[in-house]
Amino acid sequence: NAGVTQTPKFRVLKTGQSMTLLCAQDMNHEYMYWYRQDPGMGLRLIHYSVGEGTTAKGEVPDGYNVSRLKKQNFLLGLESAAPSQTSVYFCASSYSGVLNEQFFGPGTRLTVL
Amino acid sequence: SQQGEEDPQALSIQEGENATMNCSYKTSINNLQWYRQNSGRGLVHLILIRSNEREKHSGRLRVTLDTSKKSSSLLITASRAADTASYFCATDPNAGGTSYGKLTFGQGTILTVHP
Repeated sequence: NAGVTQTPKFRVLKTGQSMTLLCAQDMNHEYMYWYRQDPGMGLRLIHYSVGEGTTAKGEVPDGYNVSRLKKQNFLLGLESAAPSQTSVYFCASSYSGVLNEQFFGPGTRLTVL
Repeated sequence: SQQGEEDPQALSIQEGENATMNCSYKTSINNLQWYRQNSGRGLVHLILIRSNEREKHSGRLRVTLDTSKKSSSLLITASRAADTASYFCATDPNAGGTSYGKLTFGQGTILTVHP
């Protein structure tokens, strides 16, 4: 099993450009999450999904959109990138939300110039 | 907002010594989890302790939870150079409804174990 994979691994954008980060998991997990990690800070939750076709806002959702059209995939979109969105983005999944560990992908390092 | 505060921010020890990291949080929780992150990699789950548990062990790891003080500690015994990593506590807040695993992470402790 590949676990949780993220595409791409690195990306450089110019301010105002758009992009989509793809997260895929092969563990048949119901719950999926997108976090961002900034230097000196822990991870902060952007959006999450409790099942196919559902999405909900996390702690820092502004400037991002998500979609969960298929159970195994969770997409994170930036419609108009800003330098403040320079960060490392992590996707995670879990079997359920309660009392379950989260499995993390390797991350996507995004730089917005 | 950061729910968890970790202490110390950095810890440097010799191989064979024990490493203790502390985490404090602000609100009522369902559970508290510890994760490890090697440089440039994703997080790996280490251990989960429920709000009604006080202590849990897993191999060389020992986690304690004191809900009255809203604090937890992670002890790594007989540390190895391979334990060098960042360690994060994450809390699953109890907001009175269904938990969706919306974890809140601390800033982490950077552990360096010298051979």
